[in-house]
Amino acid sequence: NAGVTQTPKFRILKIGQSMTLQCTQDMNHNYMYWYRQDPGMGLKLIYYSVGAGITDKGEVPNGYNVSRSTTEDFPLRLELAAPSQTSVYFCASSSVSGGAGFYFGQGTRLTVV
Amino acid sequence: AQSVTQPDIHITVSEGASLELRCNYSYGATPYLFWYVQSPGQGLQLLLKYFSGDTLVQGIKGFEAEFKRSQSSFNLRKPSVHWSDAAEYFCAVGAGNYGQNFVFGPGTRLSVLP
Repeated sequence: NAGVTQTPKFRILKIGQSMTLQCTQDMNHNYMYWYRQDPGMGLKLIYYSVGAGITDKGEVPNGYNVSRSTTEDFPLRLELAAPSQTSVYFCASSSVSGGAGFYFGQGTRLTVV
Repeated sequence: AQSVTQPDIHITVSEGASLELRCNYSYGATPYLFWYVQSPGQGLQLLLKYFSGDTLVQGIKGFEAEFKRSQSSFNLRKPSVHWSDAAEYFCAVGAGNYGQNFVFGPGTRLSVLP
């Protein structure tokens, strides 16, 4: 059982470049989330989804976009990379609205130079 | 607004010693309460959770946590720490229909001396 899988694990982007962080889960969870983790700041919610075709903004959505065409996949798109987007990104899923706890992927460490 | 405080940024304990990591929260009502552990280079793993019932909850890896409503605290404990427990620990609280209102604390890094 793979759980939540994120790719890539590491990436260096130049300012202004675009990329997509991939996230897939095999637990048939309806709820999926993207967080960013900055040192000493805990995790901040970027976007979340409650099911295929339904997404909404979290606390820090600027500079990001998401889509949810299937239950399994929840990619995060960075359109014009900025140094402020240097962070570790985590995808998570939950079977019920977070109350059961989240399953996290291993993270993507992104550096924008 | 809801918030989570973990007063200790970094704690060092000797292997075999007891451990207590502090978590205080501010929330309108009793929220869901969680502790997660993050090993280096890994994602977060759920240790335990609380919403209602017995205020002392048991989790994986020998951890437990106690909810104290009067103190708005949810401290994590372990009677005897193992070297493999060295990691970062996050307290999280939240409610909301879709889990979108969960708030994570800044984390406490645990180092274990041999």
